[in-house]
Amino acid sequence: AQKITQTQPGMFVQEKEAVTLDCTYDTSDQSYGLFWYKQPSSGEMIFLIYQGSYDEQNATEGRYSLNFQKARKSANLVISASQLGDSAMYFCAMREGSLGMDSNYQLIWGAGTKLIIKP
Amino acid sequence: GAGVSQTPSNKVTEKGKYVELRCDPISGHTALYWYRQSLGQGPEFLIYFQGTGAADDSGLPNDRFFAVRPEGSVSTLKIQRTERGDSAVYLCASSAAGARQETQYFGPGTRLLVL
Repeated sequence: AQKITQTQPGMFVQEKEAVTLDCTYDTSDQSYGLFWYKQPSSGEMIFLIYQGSYDEQNATEGRYSLNFQKARKSANLVISASQLGDSAMYFCAMREGSLGMDSNYQLIWGAGTKLIIKP
Repeated sequence: GAGVSQTPSNKVTEKGKYVELRCDPISGHTALYWYRQSLGQGPEFLIYFQGTGAADDSGLPNDRFFAVRPEGSVSTLKIQRTERGDSAVYLCASSAAGARQETQYFGPGTRLLVL
């Protein structure tokens, strides 16, 4: 079963509008972290925002916010006031972790959403 | 400070050849990860180093793939007898100590094309 599901393969959004990118996850761990990364056409994976499973408030970083609904296992990324430079692939990733010190906290990734901002 | 760097940025090789891909993590980061990203997909985990040791190599697809990190800093991913299916972007990431809540910072990747 997919651990990270991103149901929107692609989205077109008008510049300056807000956009929500969907992400649902599946884990039996109580402790986990959720990440969003942006990958422009240049290829580099750029960290955007992090939400811990025990964080009571939704994470925010500038124009990015994470709509975390734990009971629904949902961690949607919201980008406010979209800009042309926001056009990129966006990946949701999860790191499970109720393990010990030498545990591997690898990221488990979704398939991504391609966001295109229209002028 | 400097981010994660990877060399070469692009590598074209012929089927059956040997290749080495290098990753230089952020200074002081003890945790280092290799991922592989095929076209149109999210990255897939290959191997994780904590310091000099490979703490988890369960993502390596077969024994043609091997990685080292002899001094706990630079890492080299080695692929023997390359196959066309190895063509992908190989991403390296590092984090400070490998803890769950830490952000992994990625390099620009090496685009490998096997002809």
